[in-house]
Amino acid sequence: KQEVTQIPAALSVPEGENLVLNCSFTDSAIYNLQWFRQDPGKGLTSLLLIQSSQREQTSGRLNASLDKSSGRSTLYIAASQPGDSATYLCAVNDRGSTLGRLYFGRGTQLTVWP
Amino acid sequence: KAGVTQTPRYLIKTRGQQVTLSCSPISGHRSVSWYQQTPGQGLQFLFEYFSETQRNKGNFPGRFSGRQFSNSRSEMNVSTLELGDSALYLCASTPGTGKLFFGSGTQLSVL
Repeated sequence: KQEVTQIPAALSVPEGENLVLNCSFTDSAIYNLQWFRQDPGKGLTSLLLIQSSQREQTSGRLNASLDKSSGRSTLYIAASQPGDSATYLCAVNDRGSTLGRLYFGRGTQLTVWP
Repeated sequence: KAGVTQTPRYLIKTRGQQVTLSCSPISGHRSVSWYQQTPGQGLQFLFEYFSETQRNKGNFPGRFSGRQFSNSRSEMNVSTLELGDSALYLCASTPGTGKLFFGSGTQLSVL
């Protein structure tokens, strides 16, 4: 059974810092990996989707990398801002499963203070 | 294009009652998935529907059920509510690319 782990569980940094959030998964036979953002009491917003054949994806200040063989992904946030404060979730879709079935990590709760 | 819409936003029920939650996917999306989110267990997959057929199911008791209509709208039902069913229930739709679009969720409190 796929297990997804995220480190650290919480992170508090001053505005302007560059950040790295880590995600690891136990079964490398994945179809894709996604990073989401969740604000308190709200739904999830998709940030980046990396297909298993890709090594990284970029969107604005966000860059996500994927090393499928080692079961790891990192989300890099450049020049953090207070508006980046949220919980960041990593999720994988197993190869052979259906597209809507994701395995989620417990998330990294990020606080960026001015 | 409107996003994924979930209703109601909040629900308060008592133990033993049943509840029905509704989800309208993004127009054109035929796949709908449901997730339960709790502080203790995190996000857990409930089930997935495509063209009115359940394609995948998570490890939840039979009290949790769902269905999908011909217009892709979906409902999930929880019967004989227990205190542990208190959670944020999230619905997601996908156009088939693997990218999931989530609604804002229904916050269910069981008293």
